[in-house]
Amino acid sequence: DADVTQTPRNRITKTGKRIMLECSQTKGHDRMYWYRQDPGLGLRLIYYSFDVKDINKGEISDGYSVSRQAQAKFSLSLESAIPNQTALYFCATSDSFLSQQETQYFGPGTRLLVL
Amino acid sequence: AQSVTQLGSHVSVSEGALVLLRCNYSSSVPPYLFWYVQYPNQGLQLLLKYTTGATLVKGINGFEAEFKKSETSFHLTKPSAHMSDAAEYFCAVNSNDYKLSFGAGTTVTVRA
Repeated sequence: DADVTQTPRNRITKTGKRIMLECSQTKGHDRMYWYRQDPGLGLRLIYYSFDVKDINKGEISDGYSVSRQAQAKFSLSLESAIPNQTALYFCATSDSFLSQQETQYFGPGTRLLVL
Repeated sequence: AQSVTQLGSHVSVSEGALVLLRCNYSSSVPPYLFWYVQYPNQGLQLLLKYTTGATLVKGINGFEAEFKKSETSFHLTKPSAHMSDAAEYFCAVNSNDYKLSFGAGTTVTVRA
């Protein structure tokens, strides 16, 4: 079984709808991240969490919110989806032991299309 | 602040030829540097990383990268390309704020 899973893998929604993307991990890591990937822009950080009670905004948090329900679960919500939120979304996890040196482990991604 | 620039959004190589992907970074403190690879329809996975010590870093699948502080570079190479190397490659830096910053990515195409 995969260490980092994301659901759904694909989602089509309409402008104005609220949607939630979910991420679960079995690696036992403290740190979790949400990124979006757009062609030619690489990955940009939306939100990150260093433990269950810690939530931080990334560089592009407007229009998004997150919830860290448990160490293993980190959800991303789009409160009112808009077309320019069409993208590939990745969840990632990392250990905290070696801090910045730690490898991030990525889920398979969720492809979101907002019509 | 930290940032990464990858030179060339697309690279096409012949099978068996050298693969060279360029990455330059900016960082106000000594950086930790990473190369990740993304195969079609998959998430990213680590190829290699530089933390401290030896500046020539070896990774998976025959890839290696050299950290050159004077040039602020961390270029990725593989002596002989294989068809399975076709993917998108991302350089990333993590310096003093605990978050990875990614480059825009370089797509590698391997010609038979």
